[in-house]
Amino acid sequence: DQQVKQNSPSLSVQEGRISILNCDYTNSMFDYFLWYKKYPAEGPTFLISISSIKDKNEDGRFTVFLNKSAKHLSLHIVPSQPGDSAVYFCAASGDGGTSYGKLTFGQGTILTVHP
Amino acid sequence: DAGVTQSPTHLIKTRGQHVTLRCSPISGHKSVSWYQQVLGQGPQFIFQYYEKEERGRGNFPDRFSARQFPNYSSELNVNALLLGDSALYLCASSRRPGGNQPQHFGDGTRLSIL
Repeated sequence: DQQVKQNSPSLSVQEGRISILNCDYTNSMFDYFLWYKKYPAEGPTFLISISSIKDKNEDGRFTVFLNKSAKHLSLHIVPSQPGDSAVYFCAASGDGGTSYGKLTFGQGTILTVHP
Repeated sequence: DAGVTQSPTHLIKTRGQHVTLRCSPISGHKSVSWYQQVLGQGPQFIFQYYEKEERGRGNFPDRFSARQFPNYSSELNVNALLLGDSALYLCASSRRPGGNQPQHFGDGTRLSIL
């Protein structure tokens, strides 16, 4: 039962262009969504989050969009830089019920930004 | 400020043995969570502790146990190790569980079972 899905295993983008990473979820109890970046041999690094009461959150080059009706979120990176090359994980959590306090992750998307 | 620290970084065990992994949270963080990540997948939730009490448990067998100490550090114990327990074990901390609280991860312990 994959409650959080990242359907694109990999994405290749040219430096300076926009990277768009997508994520879908099925559990309507989720109300907080996060994106993490992971380099090899390191733990996931928190990038940006969004509450379900919002549809957009921006932090520098990173913007997360949430479409609750479609149960879909996306991460936009503009402009993309070679140092952004990493595995990106989408995660979700919710208060109450069985999802309280825990993060449910997608499978990850490998982003490669070419110079 | 120091981030989440985990020890050891790597560990090799054989089937049937037990293992203890350790985690120190970010200063001021009282909640610690453990995750297992196998190759090609996202991290899977194992446990969450807050104020020394278990607040959540994932779908893992009873061979997995954990505890949190008064200084908010935590241990994850796995008994009767199986080949399938080979994975990266990640610890994450946050100020409190639930709500809009980002969890911050350590670099993990790479456990290999022979």
